[in-house]
Amino acid sequence: EVQLVDSGGGLVQPGGSLRLSCAASGFTFSSYAMSWVRQAPGKGLEWVSTFGNSGTYYADSVKGRFTVSRDNSKNTLFLQMNILRAEDTAVYFCAKRERQPYYFDYWGQGTQVTVSS
Amino acid sequence: QTVVTQEPSFSVSPGGTVTLTCGLNSGSVSTNYYPSWYQQTPGQAPRTLIYSTNTRSSGVPDRFSGSILGNKAALIITGAQVDDESDYYCVLYLGNGISVFGGGTKVTVL
Repeated sequence: EVQLVDSGGGLVQPGGSLRLSCAASGFTFSSYAMSWVRQAPGKGLEWVSTFGNSGTYYADSVKGRFTVSRDNSKNTLFLQMNILRAEDTAVYFCAKRERQPYYFDYWGQGTQVTVSS
Repeated sequence: QTVVTQEPSFSVSPGGTVTLTCGLNSGSVSTNYYPSWYQQTPGQAPRTLIYSTNTRSSGVPDRFSGSILGNKAALIITGAQVDDESDYYCVLYLGNGISVFGGGTKVTVL
């Protein structure tokens, strides 16, 4: 059974940093692209980043501030978030991204990130 | 900037049919964008419904179907049930690792 467990969220001041983790199990982690998707309070879902076979990709809203990485030996995906802003406040979900046709087939439960002074 | 458009809300009667659409501000949606659809209830993670335009994910009831209608992707709920009251999001894959979510449609069943 595929499982994704998100962790690492919390309260951080504007300008601060936070690192999220997503522990994966039930599939060959190294063979799949993995993504982060977020949802601000009362808002819709927003794609944030993908670590794919060909590289890493970011939404314009986080480019230059967020870095996605993975440790295939530990089946874990990370999101390093720097220079955090109030508008980064959201629940962050990791998602397994299937190969072509490029959709998100499994989701973590989400971890809350709050940026506030 | 690429914007994926969805209707903000829809209301449907139990047993009725509703068609949600997913458009693109820069042109037409085709199968080349690999449209996918997700259902989300408050406080929960999204659930994958449809991928590759019209393929139902495992365990998804056949009252959910997907297609291309005109220049948009569509999610059709036929015989809506009270449990279908949720937010629905489409996603288009733009290539080069980039996916874009639509703004979501809130479906009310009453």
